[in-house]
Formats: sequence, C-alpha cells, structure tokens
Amino acid sequence: QQQVKQSPQSLIVQKGGISIINCAYENTAFDYFPWYQQFPGKGPALLIAIRPDVSEKKEGRFTISFNKSAKQFSLHIMDSQPGDSATYFCAASMEGYSTLTFGKGTMLLVSP
Amino acid sequence: DVKVTQSSRYLVKRTGEKVFLECVQDMDHENMFWYRQDPGLGLRLIYFSYDVKMKEKGDIPEGYSVSREKKERFSLILESASTNQTSMYLCASKPTGSEKLFFGSGTQLSVL
Repeated sequence: QQQVKQSPQSLIVQKGGISIINCAYENTAFDYFPWYQQFPGKGPALLIAIRPDVSEKKEGRFTISFNKSAKQFSLHIMDSQPGDSATYFCAASMEGYSTLTFGKGTMLLVSP
Repeated sequence: DVKVTQSSRYLVKRTGEKVFLECVQDMDHENMFWYRQDPGLGLRLIYFSYDVKMKEKGDIPEGYSVSREKKERFSLILESASTNQTSMYLCASKPTGSEKLFFGSGTQLSVL
C-alpha cells in the first residue's frame, strides 16, 4: 500500500517558469513532510521540509504548500533554472518513528 | 562536512553469489538505513538500525540481511543474489532526534 502518492512522474518546464510537484498522503498521523532533491550520480539531499502547523514554507525559490484537510502538499519552484533539473522526492514520517515513507519521485527537466 | 561513504559505485555479480554492500558514516549517527531505488518505484526501505547490533525490517526485507557491528558501519547482505535485485542501493544515516537523512552516493548493483 503506497502511503505517499506523488505526481507527475516527469515534468518539463521552460527556464524561468514555475515547477509544481504534488503529493498526497493517507495516514493522518504523519507530521513531518520533507522534499529531497537528487542529482544524477548522487544520493538524495534534503531540500526543504514542513510540519502541519503551518500552511506554507519558503526557502529562496522553493516553497512547500501544505493542505492538512486535503492531505496534500506540494513543492513549487519559482523561476526554474536548468540547474534545478533533478529528481524530486516527497516523503512523510510520524513523530517517534525514525523512518521516512517516500513518494515515487518526479524527474524534472528545466529547458534552457 | 557530513559524509556517508558507500564502498563501491558499481558492482557486477552473478546469480547465486553472496554480495556485501558496505556503508560507513563519519558523523556518529545512531540511525542507519538501506534503501533501494528503482525507476518508477522511488525509494523503498530494506532495513534500518537504530543502534549497534540492532536491526529492524523495512518494507522490502525479503532476500536481504544486515549487519551492524560498529556504530559507523552498516552492511547490507544479499545471501544469494538474484536478477531482480539489480538496483541502485542507497545508504543513509541520521542522528536520533533529527529528521534529516544524509545519503551516500549509492551503489549500482547488476546481478547477471
């Protein structure tokens, strides 16, 4: 049973555009929602994370929007750049548990 | 700087061989994890360990075992490699009390 559903599987965005990746979860006990970024040949690295007590978190060009009632959260990349081309994973975990449940990933390509 | 080192970047093995994948972290983290990454399936947790000599099954432990004799080292063992274990294997670690995972660069294992 997949507990975190991520879409789209792949995404092509023009340079300067907005990239949007969506995730939905089922388990209402989840209370931590990170996004990881993975470049080819590298392991994933934490990009940004949010907890359910806020609806939005922004770090530079990256924003997480969180909708608790809909059990959805999304990553927005403003002014997308070719250097943002990577695979992005959303994830979720519960307080007191050390493991993350990952989405299936989105391959983002930002065209010059 | 934080470092998780996986011993091999690429590995080719034959069906039925016993395979050892090694991971070392230099951050004194209590928790260590093994994931496999497959296209379209995302990151799936195989095993994790929250202390020396302790291990817990993840979502897909079948066909794998692990060993953690020292805090800094976490080994993944394929007792009898099969072709369906051809995959990218990612090791990660994190300290207790933190949510942030630190990943190695991965080992691409091909079982022929």
